Amino acid sequence: GENVEQHPSTLSVQEGDSAVIKCTYSDSASNYFPWYKQELGKRPQLIIDIRSNVGEKKDQRIAVTLNKTAKHFSLHITETQPEDSAVYFCAASSGGSNYKLTFGKGTLLTVNP
Amino acid sequence: IAGITQAPTSQILAAGRRMTLRCTQDMRHNAMYWYRQDLGLGLRLIHYSNTAGTTGKGEVPDGYSVSRANTDDFPLTLASAVPSQTSVYFCASSPDRNEQFFGPGTRLTVL
Repeated sequence: GENVEQHPSTLSVQEGDSAVIKCTYSDSASNYFPWYKQELGKRPQLIIDIRSNVGEKKDQRIAVTLNKTAKHFSLHITETQPEDSAVYFCAASSGGSNYKLTFGKGTLLTVNP
Repeated sequence: IAGITQAPTSQILAAGRRMTLRCTQDMRHNAMYWYRQDLGLGLRLIHYSNTAGTTGKGEVPDGYSVSRANTDDFPLTLASAVPSQTSVYFCASSPDRNEQFFGPGTRLTVL
């Protein structure tokens, strides 16, 4: 099955700096790669996603890049703000009819004022 | 419109007891999922259902069972709870092969 590795497990940045979180996946058939943000005590919520026919996608201060050949994808947050502090999860789809997502173990991002 | 709801919000359970966690969605999504979230381990899939009447096993199915009698409901049952099942449980639903929408979670403690 699919295996998703996520790094780093913790990341601390100063407000205004950029943050980058990287994930690798194992199943070359995976074609959907979402990123979720989970604030303390809350449910995970989708912040951005990318499909395998696209190399990069941006939404304001958030961008995701995908390298299918190397089987890795990354989340980039620019001009970080204290409210960006949360746990971020990457995920990759499992192919075929049994549609599932496999999640990385998460990255705790702390943005220091 | 409630979206996706879970009950109870939290529960303390004696080991060996039977427990059913409830999940209901009103978005008419075909697919539903149960995850457990443990510190440092991320979200791990327990069971899933692509459509009403079908279910499948995820990464950590042992000790859990599910049913999908209709589109809206996807209960998760622990037949005989053990302390290692102490976790936060999230239900999710998806209309197709896209975004999964998560419920608010159930915090379960097994003593």
